[in-house]
Amino acid sequence: AQKVTQAQTEISVVEKEDVTLDCVYETRDTTYYLFWYKQPPSGELVFLIRRNSFDEQNEISGRYSWNFQKSTSSFNFTITASQVVDSAVYFCALIAPGGDYKLSFGAGTTVTVRA
Amino acid sequence: DVKVTQSSRYLVKRTGEKVFLECVQDMDHENMFWYRQDPGLGLRLIYFSYDVKMKEKGDIPEGYSVSREKKERFSLILESASTNQTSMYLCASSLIGTGLYNEQFFGPGTRLTVL
Repeated sequence: AQKVTQAQTEISVVEKEDVTLDCVYETRDTTYYLFWYKQPPSGELVFLIRRNSFDEQNEISGRYSWNFQKSTSSFNFTITASQVVDSAVYFCALIAPGGDYKLSFGAGTTVTVRA
Repeated sequence: DVKVTQSSRYLVKRTGEKVFLECVQDMDHENMFWYRQDPGLGLRLIYFSYDVKMKEKGDIPEGYSVSREKKERFSLILESASTNQTSMYLCASSLIGTGLYNEQFFGPGTRLTVL
């Protein structure tokens, strides 16, 4: 069985603050992929990143960065210098053979950035 | 850019009605998915399809059926709508390509209310 846990339900920050979203996953497979998606108020999920289980290098894309640690089964997401446009629901997800290659989502974290 | 469109953004139906939700993608993707999204539960997979006329049950298929007569179109059917099917419904598509771990691209969602 596989599972993704996003323990933070809601996070509220003031613009320009950094915000870190936690993601903890469970899988018995050694090969798997992790994803982050953003869902703005418009509703459409937007793909942010895909990371395979053999690549533990951290990644930075503009104000976004991701920290993948297999030792703690975590794939955390940080928004640096947050902006109002970052307000959204963010989902962490996992694909693995043990889950029949179906995408398993966490419950999501709602981020509100106040001006 | 991948474009996934859904026939309606908002839909209101009555208990017992037959409901059709349509999804079309324009990128020749083999895989198509239907999810429902409920607060605190994330996205849950209802049905998916790897090819025309093929369908597989997801995690919560009860009360739903699907149809895929053409590669670009995937329909979700609620045979007899019930109030507990009030939810946001999201369609997605992905390539098979060289692997089974490709990201999914989502439509804008249909918010269905069953009265």
